[in-house]
Amino acid sequence: IQMTQSPSTLSASVGDRVTITCRASQNISMWVAWYQQKPGKAPKLLIYRASTLESGVPSRFSGSGSGAEFTLTISGLQPDDFSTYYCQQYNSYSFGQGTKVEIK
Amino acid sequence: EVQLVESGGGLIQPGGSLRLSCAASGFSVSSIYMSWVRQAPGKGLEWVSIIYTGGSTDYAVSVKGRFTISRDNSKNTVYLQMNTLRVDDTAVYYCARGLGPLDSWGQGTLVTVSS
Repeated sequence: IQMTQSPSTLSASVGDRVTITCRASQNISMWVAWYQQKPGKAPKLLIYRASTLESGVPSRFSGSGSGAEFTLTISGLQPDDFSTYYCQQYNSYSFGQGTKVEIK
Repeated sequence: EVQLVESGGGLIQPGGSLRLSCAASGFSVSSIYMSWVRQAPGKGLEWVSIIYTGGSTDYAVSVKGRFTISRDNSKNTVYLQMNTLRVDDTAVYYCARGLGPLDSWGQGTLVTVSS
């Protein structure tokens, strides 16, 4: 199963609402997770089962979607949110290509 | 507290072998799926392998037949035996745990395949 993530880079300002999309090559129900990765660090789980927030993750992060199209939304971008984000389908475990959220 | 610590990375020539270890604490590696994920320099995440609670395993196409995942329950450690290494296997290798989503990750160990 291929995961196509877009955009690859996103320029935004503090306070903006940003949306990242992942499309699966086939129906994967809700078996999608989202991760945040900072340079030189391991990824951190943000959302699983498409829309369930991992414990301790701020509520400005949200996920939606089912079937083959999924989105990660950050409502009110904070300085700590400038990172790279990955989707992952855990039907057969492949990752999207990543989206780097950078400061405009 | 859940902790994963990888070791065993280093510089190896093409065609060589290396075994990575992932020592776990705070939980039992036999009670949850354990995965290896790698990240080539400047690139994205690539899932490599998984060992399920029952002991069955699965691999990415890119490593199938060359890599073997295993675990030692008595040492609470997961391993990745990597044979016939290629230049494009150069990456930071992370171990991670999770029944689907990966909720805890190690710090990673760097494997460099170069002559």
